[in-house]
Amino acid sequence: DTGVSQNPRHKITKRGQNVTFRCDPISEHNRLYWYRQTLGQGPEFLTYFQNEAQLEKSRLLSDRFSAERPKGSFSTLEIQRTEQGDSAMYLCASSVGTGGQETQYFGPGTRLLVL
Amino acid sequence: GEDVEQSLFLSVREGDSSVINCTYTDSSSTYLYWYKQEPGAGLQLLTYIFSNMDMKQDQRLTVLLNKKDKHLSLRIADTQTGDSAIYFCAERYNQGGKLIFGQGTELSVKP
Repeated sequence: DTGVSQNPRHKITKRGQNVTFRCDPISEHNRLYWYRQTLGQGPEFLTYFQNEAQLEKSRLLSDRFSAERPKGSFSTLEIQRTEQGDSAMYLCASSVGTGGQETQYFGPGTRLLVL
Repeated sequence: GEDVEQSLFLSVREGDSSVINCTYTDSSSTYLYWYKQEPGAGLQLLTYIFSNMDMKQDQRLTVLLNKKDKHLSLRIADTQTGDSAIYFCAERYNQGGKLIFGQGTELSVKP
């Protein structure tokens, strides 16, 4: 098992551009989570999927953010019209099981810098 | 409400024990977790504890939970320089399973 992978690892973009990140979860993990982490803070929940269904979105997820998991496997997170405040590390985690059997495994993250 | 608090820094000497503390507010939390993050890396799950337990030990790690005071601690015995990292406490929110993280405690281990 290769773990959760995320691409790209780093992204630099200009304000106003669109960016898309990809997360490949551990195979057979049915839940997939997106978090955002800014410098000096812990990760903050953005959204999560169970299979292909997006079940919860945080208030942090403005209309410029959209996430998909079309076939219940990999997921993409798109940010439209990026702003400097979007600069952060975007973390993906996957898990299987529920309750005490659920453990979230995190990917290495995609670091976004908006100039 | 959802809030997890941690002290920001801890410095210890190699070989000493480290104790990292965390308080949380959601009394309905069922599971509490400790993650480790090294520079430039993702989060590594260290251990977790179910809310009906008081203590859990796993090799050099001991987790203590005081549910009445909503206080969680992580003790690392015989701390090594390789333990230097940021440690995050997280509570699992009952609805949906998202994790609510503290701001992290930076542990510095001096030789």
